[in-house]
Amino acid sequence: RKEVEQDPGPFNVPEGATVAFNCTYSNSASQSFFWYRQDCRKEPKLLMSVYSSGNEDGRFTAQLNRASQYISLLIRDSKLSDSATYLCVVSRYSSASKIIFGSGTRLSIRP
Amino acid sequence: EPEVTQTPSHQVTQMGQEVILRCVPISNHLYFYWYRQILGQKVEFLVSFYNNEISEKSEIFDDQFSVERPDGSNFTLKIRSTKLEDSAMYFCASSSGGGELFFGEGSRLTVL
Repeated sequence: RKEVEQDPGPFNVPEGATVAFNCTYSNSASQSFFWYRQDCRKEPKLLMSVYSSGNEDGRFTAQLNRASQYISLLIRDSKLSDSATYLCVVSRYSSASKIIFGSGTRLSIRP
Repeated sequence: EPEVTQTPSHQVTQMGQEVILRCVPISNHLYFYWYRQILGQKVEFLVSFYNNEISEKSEIFDDQFSVERPDGSNFTLKIRSTKLEDSAMYFCASSSGGGELFFGEGSRLTVL
């Protein structure tokens, strides 16, 4: 089983739509969770951290369910500029020595 | 804004040659990482480095690979005897701890 699994997509949605991505992780000892965004042929960049209580940053909402080992990202009122690959990222240890990326979910927003 | 810088941006090499990829992490960061991404595939963890030694490495990071922090600023990845399948984008990242990574723009390696 992969350490971090994501639906690869692609998700193709119209501008203004709400879209949700899911991610599961296999190691119950995982400590920290993140969503990164990667544009085509660019480096990954942090979108947001994921906290146990859930957290929101503008149009983006992240949720963590430790019991189910499941992380989600919700994007509301999607913009053309949201088109990218969204990477679920899990840090196994609190020391941040090993940080594992999911394979990513590709999102394409159409006008 | 502080950033991670990588050189070269693109390197073409012949199979069997040695390659050194260089990175300058953000100056007050303590954790350093190398990842690779084969075109169209996922970002794969190679190695993490802390306190002047490797703290974790993946099964990809075999004897062909080595990392070094030769001075206070550079962090290098050496690939000995490159193979065709080493062709990929290699990303350096640094962190102050806690898991937020700051990536460089990557070094694209093409092995012919």
